[in-house]
Amino acid sequence: AQSVAQPEDQVNVAEGNPLTVKCTYSVSGNPYLFWYVQYPNRGLQFLLKYITGDNLVKGSYGFEAEFNKSQTSFHLKKPSALVSDSALYFCAVRDYRYGQNFVFGPGTRLSVLP
Amino acid sequence: EAGVAQSPRYKIIEKRQSVAFWCNPISGHATLYWYQQILGQGPKLLIQFQNNGVVDDSQLPKDRFSAERLKGVDSTLKIQPAKLEDSAVYLCASSPGTGEEQYFGPGTRLTVT
Repeated sequence: AQSVAQPEDQVNVAEGNPLTVKCTYSVSGNPYLFWYVQYPNRGLQFLLKYITGDNLVKGSYGFEAEFNKSQTSFHLKKPSALVSDSALYFCAVRDYRYGQNFVFGPGTRLSVLP
Repeated sequence: EAGVAQSPRYKIIEKRQSVAFWCNPISGHATLYWYQQILGQGPKLLIQFQNNGVVDDSQLPKDRFSAERLKGVDSTLKIQPAKLEDSAVYLCASSPGTGEEQYFGPGTRLTVT
């Protein structure tokens, strides 16, 4: 069965500092990996995905994520955090095989302090 | 490009009543998803459609939940009868195909009293 863990409920970072939001996963086959962001009273927005290819994936709003197969991780990163990045971040995974469903992590709340 | 539309945005019902949610996906998106997001948790997939066929409904409580996607476009999700534990945000999402990024609607917040 597929599963996703986001070990930190909350991440606090000062504006201008680099940020990392952690994600680890478990799938039987090869993974499709995604990051989504949720702002208050709004639906989830897609940030980036890893399907295959380069392990470093670049996405929206200056975010990037690194796929590490040996550590089964897909951590979200940004070199310089903005106060507007404060939101709830979800990691999601699905097995590449057809018919496998998406599994979302529990979410990590990011607070960027001015 | 218009996004995923959902209605209503909020709904309050008493337990044992029925409720229905509507979703209109992005035009041309073949895959449609319904998720349940309980406060403090990540979204949980309830059902996935590919055009008007069901790909996965393994986590749908079929004794009380039903969903349909007639004509492969918009979709409805129904709960009958509702229970207190059904209080959650119901999210609809669509994607061009399976395995691709999903585009989410604003959700319907259901409160069962």
